[in-house]
Amino acid sequence: KQEVTQIPAALSVPEGENLVLNCSFTDSAIYNLQWFRQDPGKGLTSLLLIQSSQREQTSGRLNASLDKSSGRSTLYIAASQPGDSATYLCAVEDYKLSFGAGTTVTVRA
Amino acid sequence: EAGVAQSPRYKIIEKRQSVAFWCNPISGHATLYWYQQILGQGPKLLIQFQNNGVVDDSQLPKDRFSAERLKGVDSTLKIQPAKLEDSAVYLCASSLDPVGDTSYEQYFGPGTRLTVT
Repeated sequence: KQEVTQIPAALSVPEGENLVLNCSFTDSAIYNLQWFRQDPGKGLTSLLLIQSSQREQTSGRLNASLDKSSGRSTLYIAASQPGDSATYLCAVEDYKLSFGAGTTVTVRA
Repeated sequence: EAGVAQSPRYKIIEKRQSVAFWCNPISGHATLYWYQQILGQGPKLLIQFQNNGVVDDSQLPKDRFSAERLKGVDSTLKIQPAKLEDSAVYLCASSLDPVGDTSYEQYFGPGTRLTVT
């Protein structure tokens, strides 16, 4: 059974600092890994999808890396802004999507 | 492009009552998912449809939960009778069918927040 872990559970940083969010998973036989953002009371917004054959994906200030062999992914958010405050969820897809519990980020102005 | 639509957005019921949630996926998305997200946890897949067939319902509590997808488009998730532990956000998502080893992003609706008292 796939287990996905995200550490830390919560993070508070001053505006402008770079964010590093970690995700680990137990079974490396995955099709892809996705990072999502969830705002309070809202659904999930897909940020980045990394196919199993890829090592990273970039979109604007976001960069996500994938190391399948070690079962790890890292999401980097450069130059954080108060609008980046949200919960970030990592999910891996083998035969279904398995989610971590998320990291709640607060960016202080 | 219109997103995934869900209704209602909020529902409060008493235990042992029944409730139904509705989802309309993105046009052209053959695969539809229902997830349960309990406060402080990540979403958990309840059921996955491809067109109007069930692909995976291994985590659906079938003694009280049921779901259908009529004509391969809209879907309804029902709980009967509800328990206190069913209080959660119910999320619907849709995606294109995978092609070979390439799978596609899931797009999520805003969710229905269910409170069972």
